[in-house]
Formats: sequence, C-alpha cells, structure tokens
Amino acid sequence: DAGVIQSPRHEVTEMGQEVTLRCKPISGHDYLFWYRQTMMRGLELLIYFNNNVPIDDSGMPEDRFSAKMPNASFSTLKIQPSEPRDSAVYFCASSPPGQGSYNEQFFGPGTRLTVL
Amino acid sequence: GDSVTQMEGPVTLSEEAFLTINCTYTATGYPSLFWYVQYPGEGLQLLLKATKADDKGSNKGFEATYRKETTSFHLEKGSVQVSDSAVYFCALSPPFSGGYNKLIFGAGTRLAVHP
Repeated sequence: DAGVIQSPRHEVTEMGQEVTLRCKPISGHDYLFWYRQTMMRGLELLIYFNNNVPIDDSGMPEDRFSAKMPNASFSTLKIQPSEPRDSAVYFCASSPPGQGSYNEQFFGPGTRLTVL
Repeated sequence: GDSVTQMEGPVTLSEEAFLTINCTYTATGYPSLFWYVQYPGEGLQLLLKATKADDKGSNKGFEATYRKETTSFHLEKGSVQVSDSAVYFCALSPPFSGGYNKLIFGAGTRLAVHP
C-alpha cells in the first residue's frame, strides 16, 4: 500500500508568489495533519482535519496560510503571499480512525520549500 | 501545558556502542508516549510506543520504558549501527478524552554513528 504522498518534493519560489503544497493521505485514514519543520522551531502542527473537516487550525501562523481538504484523498496547504521566513520542510501525515490517544501518524516525505 | 523535553544533540557514537537518548515529559494524567525516527530526507516514522505506566515499547533493538514516577521515556539500544544515524523524536499524546488528541513532539535528537 502506498504511503502518504506529497508533491512537490522541492519548491523554490520568490517572495510574494503563491505556493500550493499537495498531499494524498493513506486510503482509509480519516485524520490528516499538516506540520512545518524548521531548525529554529522544530516540528510544529499547523492544522488537522477529521473526515475532511478542519478541527484545529490554531497552529496556522497567519492569514497568509490556508488549508483545504475537498475530499478524503486530497489536501492542499497554500501560502499567499509567500515570505522568506516560510522556508521550511512541510510534512503531511495521516492517521487511521478509532485509535484514540494511541494514534500512530504516518508521515509523508515532506516538501522542502525555499522562498527567495 | 503538556510538553516533551529531549536531550540536546548531536549524539556521536562509534558502531556497537550503547545508546541512551533521554526524554522527559510534562502532562496531566497518563499520556501515551512515542518515539519517532526521521532518516535523512524522509518523513518521521513510528519507532515504538507505550500506552501505560511501566509498559516497555521495543522495535529494531530499541526499547523505552514508560516511567510515571520520573515522567521519563528514555530510548536505549545496546549496540548501534551506522544505519541508525537519524533524528529521534520523543512525543506524547494526552489521555483520550472523547476527541482526537494531538501529538506533542520534543525538539528531536540527532544521532550520528561512525564505523
């Protein structure tokens, strides 16, 4: 079975441009998470969805960031406009239903974003 | 609030050395505890977990014991290999309360194993 798929793997863009990161969770998983990883701040949870509905977006840094999950097999994280401080590795993860607090999250390979 | 503290890295060891990476946590009740590993260029993957006090999680020669009295979940391996070089994250999930609980990660500890 394929794992979590993210695209693109690398993105280089210029400040002010719109960036869209994509994620396909593992089939049958009903939780989806977006994380950001930087040297300074470590691994931060940005937002998570359950059954395509955003549950907690308190980690989204500001209004420039938005995330959607139009169906069970696809999610996007958009940054508009992008800034150099958004440079990071962005991970998508998914989790199956019914595990309560024993949840294992399955991570994708990440998208390395560089904003010049 | 709930938090996880890990020893700072990098940890540099020779092959076949003994490994300990310390992890302590702050949480109310009895959280579930996890170790995730991140190999270069990859996402995190679950290494082991423990869901109640005195449980021992183990996988691939790694083990960690859930110590409620010291609020610790130290990762150990008796003989490391070069292929164990990675970043290791300790994490907790607060006690289940009817909804989904987020994973709270430590800062990560980089391990470098030399031949």
